[in-house]
Amino acid sequence: AQSVAQPEDQVNVAEGNPLTVKCTYSVSGNPYLFWYVQYPNRGLQFLLKYITGDNLVKGSYGFEAEFNKSQTSFHLKKPSALVSDSALYFCAVRSNNAGNMLTFGGGTRLMVKP
Amino acid sequence: KAGVTQTPRYLIKTRGQQVTLSCSPISGHRSVSWYQQTPGQGLQFLFEYFSETQRNKGNFPGRFSGRQFSNSRSEMNVSTLELGDSALYLCASSLAAPPTDTQYFGPGTRLTVL
Repeated sequence: AQSVAQPEDQVNVAEGNPLTVKCTYSVSGNPYLFWYVQYPNRGLQFLLKYITGDNLVKGSYGFEAEFNKSQTSFHLKKPSALVSDSALYFCAVRSNNAGNMLTFGGGTRLMVKP
Repeated sequence: KAGVTQTPRYLIKTRGQQVTLSCSPISGHRSVSWYQQTPGQGLQFLFEYFSETQRNKGNFPGRFSGRQFSNSRSEMNVSTLELGDSALYLCASSLAAPPTDTQYFGPGTRLTVL
């Protein structure tokens, strides 16, 4: 079985400050990790993914994520937050043992205040 | 290239009725997956289709079914609706089926069961 944990329901950060949204995972086999963002009344928008190689992955809108195999983590980061980054963020995992099924974390609401 | 489209965007039904939701994947994508999103359960995998065959199925009752057509368009059907079926139903498409492929999501169909 595979699972994802996002320990924070909400993260508050001031505009211009760095942000981190945490994610830990559990899979058997190689993990393929994804971050998505959801704005109100919208579907999920892909931000970035880790498949293999460099542990630091860069994605859309200035977001990046760091894969840490020993800590089974894949935290999302951005050096300088924007008010427009306020949204719901989902971490997801897939593995060779579970076909194409994405298993999502519970989501973290990011609030960026001016 | 057009994204994933889902119709209808909003639907209101009463208990006991059935409903059919439609999803058109990104052109060239052959894999379509369906997810249910609710405040209580979060994002849960329903099923995945590839080349008109169901490859994976989540832990949902048999009232939930789907199919995929030769042009990769997909439909999901829910029979004998229950209040708990009220949710945002998301469709996602990917080029093929390996777990490294990115799934791109549509805007969702919001189903309300009264």
